[in-house]
Amino acid sequence: EPEVTQTPSHQVTQMGQEVILRCVPISNHLYFYWYRQILGQKVEFLVSFYNNEISEKSEIFDDQFSVERPDGSNFTLKIRSTKLEDSAMYFCASSEGQGSRGYTFGSGTRLTVV
Amino acid sequence: AQTVTQSQPEMSVQEAETVTLSCTYDTSENNYYLFWYKQPPSRQMILVIRQEAYKQQNATENRFSVNFQKAAKSFSLKISDSQLGDTAMYFCAYNTGGFKTIFGAGTRLFVKA
Repeated sequence: EPEVTQTPSHQVTQMGQEVILRCVPISNHLYFYWYRQILGQKVEFLVSFYNNEISEKSEIFDDQFSVERPDGSNFTLKIRSTKLEDSAMYFCASSEGQGSRGYTFGSGTRLTVV
Repeated sequence: AQTVTQSQPEMSVQEAETVTLSCTYDTSENNYYLFWYKQPPSRQMILVIRQEAYKQQNATENRFSVNFQKAAKSFSLKISDSQLGDTAMYFCAYNTGGFKTIFGAGTRLFVKA
């Protein structure tokens, strides 16, 4: 069964530092996403990415955030100047088509900002 | 704005029994897609079942089935013959066919031996 792989599984960073969360989507999928889940709260959409550009982003996804597909396999989320409130579980997902068929999610990266 | 509401934060069920998780949503769209995702303690979300709004027939996947009531904007998940491995957080989710999926707050289900 193909998987979405995320690394690292847990990242601790100092407030104000930059972090890069990495994801390897399923190889034949064309759409990529980042979601986050603050502890005990809803899963929130951050951004979708298709054809090497952002296709949609939420209000949360401001200038502090950026995404990139640096090569044919990786999909990264960069968070600049991290804040305490950025502490959350970050999930990468991919899909063959747009969201109508659902996603395959990765296991997530737990980001802790101290 | 589209919203998804799961009114049951926690539920429990005896092994082998049947349990129903509730979900309601709000939308002005006529065509859309609804999902139930399972998030076991290992935290990876897995797609359990999917329903297309233009299909009247309720989706089923083995022990999992839905009761889709379009007029009432209700989309409940029924788990039959519950197993210990069904213990997880269950999220109801909505998508119009576009890029963004909206999730409910989740229902934590405990299956007791």
